[in-house]
Amino acid sequence: QVQLVQSGAEVKKPGASVTVSCKTSGYNFANYGISWVRQAPGQGLEWMGWISTYNGNTNYAQRLRGRVTMTTDTSTSTAYMDLRNLRSDDTAVYYCARVGGAMDVWGQGTTVTVSS
Amino acid sequence: DIVMTQSPDSLAVSLGERATINCKSSQNVLDSSSNKNFLGWYQQKPGQPPKLLINWSSTRESGVPDRFSGSGSGTDFTLTISSLQAEDVAVYYCQQYYSTPWTFGQGTKVEIK
Repeated sequence: QVQLVQSGAEVKKPGASVTVSCKTSGYNFANYGISWVRQAPGQGLEWMGWISTYNGNTNYAQRLRGRVTMTTDTSTSTAYMDLRNLRSDDTAVYYCARVGGAMDVWGQGTTVTVSS
Repeated sequence: DIVMTQSPDSLAVSLGERATINCKSSQNVLDSSSNKNFLGWYQQKPGQPPKLLINWSSTRESGVPDRFSGSGSGTDFTLTISSLQAEDVAVYYCQQYYSTPWTFGQGTKVEIK
């Protein structure tokens, strides 16, 4: 079955960087894009961006541009999200999701806590 | 950016009764060439990732109970739960994927009355 499995929880200090991985299985990785969404504690869903697994094209949310980079490794069917210069308001659960029109399959989420 | 506005923010419905959630987009999300509305509905239960219920405004995802239905076109959309079950207690979000940045509604919390 289609699965997206994310890396484990992270605790970072302000100014640091974090990388979240999203390993996919059960489908042809190159046929679907990957999107990243985050959710701050008690808040709604925020779209962070999207990457084409076919050609690596990306589209990032304006407010994260310059701090976020999304990449893929087609040899392992894995997507990555790097977020730099972390701030306290980056504390959130980060999700990857397969893009099939809407986001049709989601990872389990990765909690990133930014605290001094 | 397309702003998605849901109503109401919360909803309490008796078991077996109908629940209706509305979603309004600030711009059209209907693609005229495909005649598809680029609108999805998600259910999120505490501690879980969102789950896609409805794709393309009205296409129920595989395995989603048929008590869930989506309707609407252009800028106005509705998610209907025809007969609320205890397991439907959750927050529901609409989301447009017509243009970037993709945007979500603020969420509607559904509870049992």
